[in-house]
Amino acid sequence: RKEVEQDPGPFNVPEGATVAFNCTYSNSASQSFFWYRQDCRKEPKLLMSVYSSGNEDGRFTAQLNRASQYISLLIRDSKLSDSATYLCVAGTASKLTFGTGTRLQVTL
Amino acid sequence: DAGVTQSPTHLIKTRGQQVTLRCSPKSGHDTVSWYQQALGQGPQFIFQYYEEEERQRGNFPDRFSGHQFPNYSSELNVNALLLGDSALYLCASSLGRGVYEQYFGPGTRLTVT
Repeated sequence: RKEVEQDPGPFNVPEGATVAFNCTYSNSASQSFFWYRQDCRKEPKLLMSVYSSGNEDGRFTAQLNRASQYISLLIRDSKLSDSATYLCVAGTASKLTFGTGTRLQVTL
Repeated sequence: DAGVTQSPTHLIKTRGQQVTLRCSPKSGHDTVSWYQQALGQGPQFIFQYYEEEERQRGNFPDRFSGHQFPNYSSELNVNALLLGDSALYLCASSLGRGVYEQYFGPGTRLTVT
């Protein structure tokens, strides 16, 4: 079983739609959680940190449920430019563990 | 504000050879982590350097080694290259030891033939 599991997708959604990504992690010692965005053949870019209280950044909302070891990302009003792979990340000590990513394709 | 830089961008090596990849962290950062990303996979943690010492290591063989210099830049060395070492090698920098927000460089794409 992978330490961080994500649905690989792809998720194909029309522009303006709301889309949700889910992720589970298996290591209960995980302390920090993030979502990264990765465009094709580029490096991952930090999208947002994830907190138990939930956090929002514009159209993006992230949530953490420690009891269920579950992380989510909600994207509202999807734009064409949101098309990318979204990587869920759980961190322990000095190490970040990445999921394999969920691919999002936003279409006209 | 200079971001994370890596060199070279691309590299082609033959099986059995050795390779050195280089990374300069984001201005103000003192910690460097290295990751390997195979096609279709998420980045896999190789190791992290802080205060010129390897602080934590992932599940990679001893063929993978590294170094951090006093100016916080870092090198990743891979000996006895295997075909399976072909991947994108990513360097990420952060401030302080521990799990903090990490910022990635553009990566070095290594092809082993």
